[in-house]
Amino acid sequence: SSELTQDPAVSVALGQTVRITCQGDSLRSYYASWYQQKPGQAPVLVIYGKNNRPSGIPDRFSGSSSGNTASLTITGAQAEDEADYYCNSRDSSGNFYVFGTGTKVTVL
Amino acid sequence: QVQLQESGPGLVKPSETLSLTCTVSGYSISSGYYWGWIRQPPGKGLEWIGSIYHSGSTYYNPSLKSRVTISVDTSKNQFSLKLSSVTAADTAVYYCAVVWFGEWYNWFDPWGQGTLVTVSS
Repeated sequence: SSELTQDPAVSVALGQTVRITCQGDSLRSYYASWYQQKPGQAPVLVIYGKNNRPSGIPDRFSGSSSGNTASLTITGAQAEDEADYYCNSRDSSGNFYVFGTGTKVTVL
Repeated sequence: QVQLQESGPGLVKPSETLSLTCTVSGYSISSGYYWGWIRQPPGKGLEWIGSIYHSGSTYYNPSLKSRVTISVDTSKNQFSLKLSSVTAADTAVYYCAVVWFGEWYNWFDPWGQGTLVTVSS
C-alpha cells in the first residue's frame, strides 16, 4: 500500500481553480513532485522541488506544502488538464521512492 | 535532450524472468545521472521498482528486492531490468526514467514511452 494518499477523483469547472492534495508523513521532511498522465501516455513531470515547473509546463500549475500535505493547484483549469495526477516523494524512512495513489481530474 | 526507449518481450510466462532494456539517447550514461524503472499495472497507479547510478550502485523497492536486478551497460548506453519468478501480478506497463534527487527532493524526468508486459501462459 502507498504511503502517499490522494483523493481518488476531483472535478473542476472550466476556468476555475482546483487543488489536488497528497498526504503522508514523509512530506514533513521531503518535497513532492507531481506528474500528469493522460490515457495511454507516459507520465509527465509538472512540478518538482519547492515549486518548480519544467520547461513547457504552463504557469497555471503550482505546488505548495504544509505539514504532512503537499498540494498541486491548477489555476484556471483547461480542458487539456483533464488527466490523472500522481505525487511522488520518499517513503517514511527516506531511503526509497513512493508514488501517491493518484487523482483523476475531470474538467466540466 | 535525453530520450529513453524501453524494449523487450511483451509476453512472459509465469515463473520465468522478465527482461527489459532502456536505451538512452542524447546523453552518455557514463557521464552520470541516476536511472530508474517504474511500473503501472493496467488501470492502477505507479510503483517505483528501483534505480541505478552509472557506476552500478543500485536501490530497489523493498517489496520487490528479492526478485529485481537492475544493471547498466555503458558501452551500449543502456540500462536493464530483470524481474524473476513473475506472476500475473507483474503484468504492467514498465517505464524507464531519469532520476533526479537531492537531500530533500526527488523527481523522475524524462520518461520513456513505456512498454506493456503481460504475464500469461
